Amino acid sequence: DAGVTQSPTHLIKTRGQQVTLRCSPKSGHDTVSWYQQALGQGPQFIFQYYEEEERQRGNFPDRFSGHQFPNYSSELNVNALLLGDSALYLCASSLYLGGPGEQFFGPGTRLTVL
Amino acid sequence: DAKTTQPNSMESNEEEPVHLPCNHSTISGTDYIHWYRQLPSQGPEYVIHGLTSNVNNRMASLAIAEDRKSSTLILHRATLRDAAVYYCILRETGTASKLTFGTGTRLQVTL
Repeated sequence: DAGVTQSPTHLIKTRGQQVTLRCSPKSGHDTVSWYQQALGQGPQFIFQYYEEEERQRGNFPDRFSGHQFPNYSSELNVNALLLGDSALYLCASSLYLGGPGEQFFGPGTRLTVL
Repeated sequence: DAKTTQPNSMESNEEEPVHLPCNHSTISGTDYIHWYRQLPSQGPEYVIHGLTSNVNNRMASLAIAEDRKSSTLILHRATLRDAAVYYCILRETGTASKLTFGTGTRLQVTL
């Protein structure tokens, strides 16, 4: 089992550009959550996808959008990049009906906005 | 979201027990207490969770105060590989509820 995988590992963009990050959940999981982690801070919840729909959303602007595919993989899109979007973006997978169990995190994508 | 308070950092010697405290005075009756840790250059990793009773697993033990306003993560024998940031998180009951991270406790383990 490969666990949660994310691509790319690192990414450098300039202000105003758009970026797409990808996540494949752990085998058997149907729910994907995205988090943003700024340097020295804890991860902050962006949104969660289940059954190809956004189910929960954190306090992030509409520039942040996502998608979930029928195979449960997910994408995070960020438009009109700002310097402050530079962060580690983490994907976590779980079972929607799995109760208060654990979420499995990927290694993250490091985004640098210049 | 109910908040947690943790010390910014702690130190331990290798092979000694470590007690990581967490205060959560505004916890609701249905909030679960979760602990995750994040090793350098990795995503967070689940450690343990509980509701009211103390819990043990292969990684750690979780001691929950009777009034549930505080909890302690116990690493029975710290190793260098346990050096990480440890997050105490209150998680709402419900399907796949989000995790709300604070700044955590940075644990240093020395020889």
